[in-house]
Amino acid sequence: EIVMTQSPATLSVSLGERATLSCRASQSISSILAWYQQKPGQAPRLLIYGASTRAPGLPARFSGSGSGTEFTLTITSLQSEDFAVYYCHHRGTFGGGTKVEI
Amino acid sequence: EVQLLESGGGLVQPGGSLTLSCADSGFTFSNYAMVWVRQAPGKGLECVSSTSDTGGATYYADSVKGRFTMLRDNSKNTVYLRMNNLRVEDTAIYYCARDPGFSTGADYFDYWGQGTLVTVSS
Repeated sequence: EIVMTQSPATLSVSLGERATLSCRASQSISSILAWYQQKPGQAPRLLIYGASTRAPGLPARFSGSGSGTEFTLTITSLQSEDFAVYYCHHRGTFGGGTKVEI
Repeated sequence: EVQLLESGGGLVQPGGSLTLSCADSGFTFSNYAMVWVRQAPGKGLECVSSTSDTGGATYYADSVKGRFTMLRDNSKNTVYLRMNNLRVEDTAIYYCARDPGFSTGADYFDYWGQGTLVTVSS
């Protein structure tokens, strides 16, 4: 069973700063990786699939990269609405999440 | 507009049963695999079950195998999750979601319902 590990668990950043979130797979998963954003009281929202393809309507400040076992979600110039929990996902297995907070 | 609407959650005693429904609209339901994802209070996300566009292939997490059954009715644009022998640890918000990538093995969930809360407690 593939294990998805996200780091850090919590990321403290300021408005306008860049946030870099990591997701590591316990074995190679090619580019089969998605990223989701979840705000309190809301359902998750798809951000990225195929490791780097942005979901329709997603602002360009969000980008995904990586392949194999190491993946990154980058948010350039953080906006107030970006403070949330972010999950990576591979074939039914989610990472533990990274909370992005001020 | 794609919409997924879950219903059927509630309070049930340990060992009891519950059936969740997810009614879908705004897309050709029979063309898409569907999934149930749950989230225990304050915890992360867990895929519980997924089914192919025809319902011919269905998968379950080990934590629910043998207790939960996922079905779909393409004539009603609805997926169901029949949950038997419920345990306290099944307490969670249950979301249904659409999976466009199921057939290629590169699944991802592009539309989600608002979720329905299942509480298992005596």
